[in-house]
Parts: sequence; structure tokens; C-alpha cells
Amino acid sequence: DQQVKQNSPSLSVQEGRISILNCDYTNSMFDYFLWYKKYPAEGPTFLISISSIKDKNEDGRFTVFLNKSAKHLSLHIVPSQPGDSAVYFCAVNTGNQFYFGTGTSLTVIP
Amino acid sequence: DTGVSQNPRHKITKRGQNVTFRCDPISEHNRLYWYRQTLGQGPEFLTYFQNEAQLEKSRLLSDRFSAERPKGSFSTLEIQRTEQGDSAMYLCASSLDGGFSYNEQFFGPGTRLTVL
Repeated sequence: DQQVKQNSPSLSVQEGRISILNCDYTNSMFDYFLWYKKYPAEGPTFLISISSIKDKNEDGRFTVFLNKSAKHLSLHIVPSQPGDSAVYFCAVNTGNQFYFGTGTSLTVIP
Repeated sequence: DTGVSQNPRHKITKRGQNVTFRCDPISEHNRLYWYRQTLGQGPEFLTYFQNEAQLEKSRLLSDRFSAERPKGSFSTLEIQRTEQGDSAMYLCASSLDGGFSYNEQFFGPGTRLTVL
């Protein structure tokens, strides 16, 4: 039973354009949502998070949007840069449990 | 380097052997997590420590798996009688309890286990 789903395994975007990564979750009780970035041969690195009491959080080029009614989370990267090419995981947290999606591989084309 | 470290980085073993992995968290972090990641999947939660106490265990953690965190510092994950299905990347993460950022986990590079 997949609690968190990332339905797009890969995404290619031109440098300078917007990258939009999507994530759907099943449990309306989840109260904290995170995005992680992962480069090959490294562990995931925290990118940005949002609490369930908010619907938007912004940090530089990265913005996370939360639509609780749709149980949908998205990450916007503007403008996209070649160094953003990585696998992006969304994760949800409730209590001591963390659930990760399967990841979306983003390629930013110079 | 004050990040999370894991040793060894790679481990190849034969089916039926026991293996042990070590994780050294960021020194001031009191929470420590173990995850397993297989190809094409995201990290799957295995277990979680608050200081030396193991507070949560996933149903994925069969009785062949045991984790310890003596003195609330480093942690070990042992797999007994390994099976080919145990082949995966084993990730360790740590975080600091308290404050707004308590959910933010810092991951180590992982230990890749191959069971032949």
C-alpha cells in the first residue's frame, strides 16, 4: 500500500524554465510534507518542507504547494538550472512515521 | 566533515551470512533512523531511535533484523541469515528533536548490500 505516489518517474526541462514535480498522498492525517533531492551515490538531501496548516512555502527558487483537499503536493523550481538534475523524493510525516514516494528523476537540459 | 557517516559503503556477502552496518549520526542529533531503498523505490522506513531507545519498528523489520544504539550515539543494524531479497541500499538518517525543523532528517550516503 503506497502511501505516497509520484506518478512521473522522469521529467526533462529546458534550463531557465519551470520544473513542476508532483506528489499525491492517501492519508489526510499526514501533517508534515517534505521534498528531498538525491544525487547518485549520495543520500537524500533535505530541500524544503511545508506544514499542513499552510498551503505554500517558498525558499529561493523552490516553492512547495500543498492542496489538502486534493491530497496533492507539488514542487516548483524556477528557474531550473542544470545542477538541479537529480532524483526528487516527496515524503510525508505523521508522528514517528515517514513515508517516501518513489521519486522523479529531473533532467535540466542546458 | 560533520555529516552522517555510514560504514561500510559496500558489502557483498553470501546468502546465509550475517552482516552488520554502522551509522554515525551528526553529533548533536538525538534521533536516528534506518531506511531501506531498493531500485526504483523511495526509502522505506525500518526503525527509529530517540537517544538510545528504539521507539518505532516497521513490519518490514523481520526477526532477522536487529538495530541498536548504545549510549545514544552511533547505531548498528545487523541482518542475520541474509537472503537475496535483503539486497538493497541501507540508509541512515539523523535529526534533532525540538523546534520547527525537527522533521528534517539528514541522510548518510548509505551502505549498499549485495547478497549472492
